[in-house]
Amino acid sequence: DADVTQTPRNRITKTGKRIMLECSQTKGHDRMYWYRQDPGLGLRLIYYSFDVKDINKGEISDGYSVSRQAQAKFSLSLESAIPNQTALYFCATSDLAGARTGELFFGEGSRLTVL
Amino acid sequence: GQQLNQSPQSMFIQEGEDVSMNCTSSSIFNTWLWYKQDPGEGPVLLIALYKAGELTSNGRLTAQFGITRKDSFLNISASIPSDVGIYFCAPRNYGGSQGNLIFGKGTKLSVKP
Repeated sequence: DADVTQTPRNRITKTGKRIMLECSQTKGHDRMYWYRQDPGLGLRLIYYSFDVKDINKGEISDGYSVSRQAQAKFSLSLESAIPNQTALYFCATSDLAGARTGELFFGEGSRLTVL
Repeated sequence: GQQLNQSPQSMFIQEGEDVSMNCTSSSIFNTWLWYKQDPGEGPVLLIALYKAGELTSNGRLTAQFGITRKDSFLNISASIPSDVGIYFCAPRNYGGSQGNLIFGKGTKLSVKP
């Protein structure tokens, strides 16, 4: 089983719908991140959390919200999806050692299509 | 704002050839990382560089942290089909309240057997 699990792996939805992408991890890491990947644009940080009571905006947080329900769970919500939110979304984790080294552990991604 | 340029965008090579890719930035960083994304997977850390001028190898991979702290390169020697994927540079400035990685736009590598 993957250490960082994302659900759903694929989702097609319509403009205006609310969507939640979920991430759970068994690595015991404190830090969790949501990234968005668009072809030719690399990965851009949406939100990150250093512990259960900590939420921080990343580079492109507009139109998104997150919830850190527990140390192991970090969900990303699109309150009213729009077509330009069509992308591949990645959850990632790190621990304090990883914070020093820069090593993030990524899930397998959630592909979201907004029609 | 800061600019991070990764080149080339894509490469099509024959198995056995050497590969070189690089990233340049308008800003100084104290860490340069290289990640690889296999098709259908999330990125995985390949090499980390923490000191200006540092040259690090990991098997067929060699990476260098530029002396100006504004650039880094990654070389792959004797490419094989499993080298296929997208390679990202990811610099950052560790320390302080931020220190999050900034990802380059990626170099997509295709290897023809």
